[in-house]
Amino acid sequence: DAGITQSPRHKVTETGTPVTLRCHQTENHRYMYWYRQDPGHGLRLIHYSYGVKDTDKGEVSDGYSVSRSKTEDFLLTLESATSSQTSVYFCAISDRNSNEAFFGQGTRLTVV
Amino acid sequence: QQPVQSPQAVILREGEDAVINCSSSKALYSVHWYRQKHGEAPVFLMILLKGGEQKGHEKISASFNEKKQQSSLYLTASQLSYSGTYFCGTEEFFGNEKLTFGTGTRLTIIP
Repeated sequence: DAGITQSPRHKVTETGTPVTLRCHQTENHRYMYWYRQDPGHGLRLIHYSYGVKDTDKGEVSDGYSVSRSKTEDFLLTLESATSSQTSVYFCAISDRNSNEAFFGQGTRLTVV
Repeated sequence: QQPVQSPQAVILREGEDAVINCSSSKALYSVHWYRQKHGEAPVFLMILLKGGEQKGHEKISASFNEKKQQSSLYLTASQLSYSGTYFCGTEEFFGNEKLTFGTGTRLTIIP
């Protein structure tokens, strides 16, 4: 299995509070992604990274920010959580050698 | 913009065939296919690159029509283990690492 872990796996937070989700990889892959999964919407790209300090927005980036200060870690921050951000969040990694994306086990976030 | 998948859901009996379609409004460089079991992470099945390539993986194969910006996933003689949600992922051009997924197709195989 690809070395990718997400933390925390579950979190309940209150509206208006900041939340940070962490994605950690041991594969030294260049590309990292954050997706959210909601019924009827499939997997929607929030942000992605193509190198240290190199990030770009996806389709649903409003309300989210990311940082990648080192190859192995990609952080997703909800600056002020809202109930609409209740979702399952998946991190993924990939490289150009295999073209395959490997997913973490997901983080279930509930904003109350 | 997400690629569009059809059908949204399908129920089959074991041994029947299924086709899942993925369509994009943009020119594509590659199409990926993934399967997700309930409560688990998506798992890679295959990738098709620009050039109309068709690929196979056991009884699961796929085609990519770059002119129509469409891909289809074919599951033949379906098995119970094929149940899950299938996602296509697309990249617009080589060097663009933005991997965008469709809305998913839920496949249920019954005995």
